[in-house]
Amino acid sequence: GQQLNQSPQSMFIQEGEDVSMNCTSSSIFNTWLWYKQDPGEGPVLLIALYKAGELTSNGRLTAQFGITRKDSFLNISASIPSDVGIYFCAGHLTGTASKLTFGTGTRLQVTL
Amino acid sequence: SAVISQKPSRDICQRGTSLTIQCQVDSQVTMMFWYRQQPGQSLTLIATANQGSEATYESGFVIDKFPISRPNLTFSTLTVSNMSPEDSSIYLCSFSFSYEQFFGPGTRLTVL
Repeated sequence: GQQLNQSPQSMFIQEGEDVSMNCTSSSIFNTWLWYKQDPGEGPVLLIALYKAGELTSNGRLTAQFGITRKDSFLNISASIPSDVGIYFCAGHLTGTASKLTFGTGTRLQVTL
Repeated sequence: SAVISQKPSRDICQRGTSLTIQCQVDSQVTMMFWYRQQPGQSLTLIATANQGSEATYESGFVIDKFPISRPNLTFSTLTVSNMSPEDSSIYLCSFSFSYEQFFGPGTRLTVL
């Protein structure tokens, strides 16, 4: 099925550093959603994007809907230990209003 | 925002048996979804459960293996039938509100 490729697959960063991850596809998406999943929990919605070019912030998180509608990025500023987890992008392909396609995930680990 | 819960949170089952997972939302929602997350992997949609109609299954998932009920607008069940060790995964339910999806905490299933 359709795959959303996320990069990097995993990353170690120092506390206080900024983080950037992205999600790309060969297909056009109508929405982009970013989730964080902690161990033993379900994914939690962080940011939702609805229009090409849209830039949205949620605290230290900022995400953008790519102009081509085939990509999105998520930035985390001044990372802290509780940012550890797996980040997933997800989106609705054109013509699939309800069905979400998920990315492969980015595992974030923060060193003190 | 609505609260979504799942029972059981985890279970260990024997090969050949079946397990029914319950998902409860504290408000009425039109669309509910069931996902599987295999160890270390992303989320894969199993089926969409709409109240009053048969569930819609994704490619690779069949009703005989994963029967779903949706008796009302706040509740759904997923049964994992005739289990094998390959069914060991986290099973997640979600509901949609506009284009956003919200997830339950998941059921961690181990099949011996």
